[in-house]
Amino acid sequence: GAVVSQHPSWVICKSGTSVKIECRSLDFQATTMFWYRQFPKQSLMLMATSNEGSKATYEQGVEKDKFLINHASLTLSTLTVTSAHPEDSSFYICSARSRDNSYEQYFGPGTRLTVT
Amino acid sequence: AQSVSQHNHHVILSEAASLELGCNYSYGGTVNLFWYVQYPGQHLQLLLKYFSGDPLVKGIKGFEAEFIKSKFSFNLRKPSVQWSDTAEYFCLTGGGNKLTFGTGTQLKVEL
Repeated sequence: GAVVSQHPSWVICKSGTSVKIECRSLDFQATTMFWYRQFPKQSLMLMATSNEGSKATYEQGVEKDKFLINHASLTLSTLTVTSAHPEDSSFYICSARSRDNSYEQYFGPGTRLTVT
Repeated sequence: AQSVSQHNHHVILSEAASLELGCNYSYGGTVNLFWYVQYPGQHLQLLLKYFSGDPLVKGIKGFEAEFIKSKFSFNLRKPSVQWSDTAEYFCLTGGGNKLTFGTGTQLKVEL
């Protein structure tokens, strides 16, 4: 149980275009989902926290207009990278926390974004 | 804000060697500590967690960690590593709604 999927697993897009990444909890309801970014050889950095039905809370330094997060249901959150630039190229990972669990998060496999 | 630091960035061991990966946390009230592992090409998985109670925590795959409050430490141990333990290991602390990652330790186990 407690499986989180991400789609797509990798994507290449051109500068200036927008890309949407989906995060789904497959066998549980996730009241809270998290989006992380991982640079090569570095740790994961939390970008934002989203609760179902409400606006996401962004970490300091993360542009909310650039990284749009929508948590429309208890099993789906999306991250849209708008007007992507090469510096947005990174590994994006989502995680989800079930409504009946204290702090444990279940992680998705990640999405590799390359902006050319 | 709570934080964790991992001292070893790269560790290379031979099979059957004992493992200890260091993790120190900053004090911030209630302490919730985790070790996650990321095997090559796979997603992050929970190895073990500590919220309260017995400070010696047993996890999956023979891993354990000990919460030592006086040292602000939560080191990960395994008495005898296997080649399949090659992975990246992250120490995390959680407070409120967030998890904060350590920088990670890349473990390579050689045959």
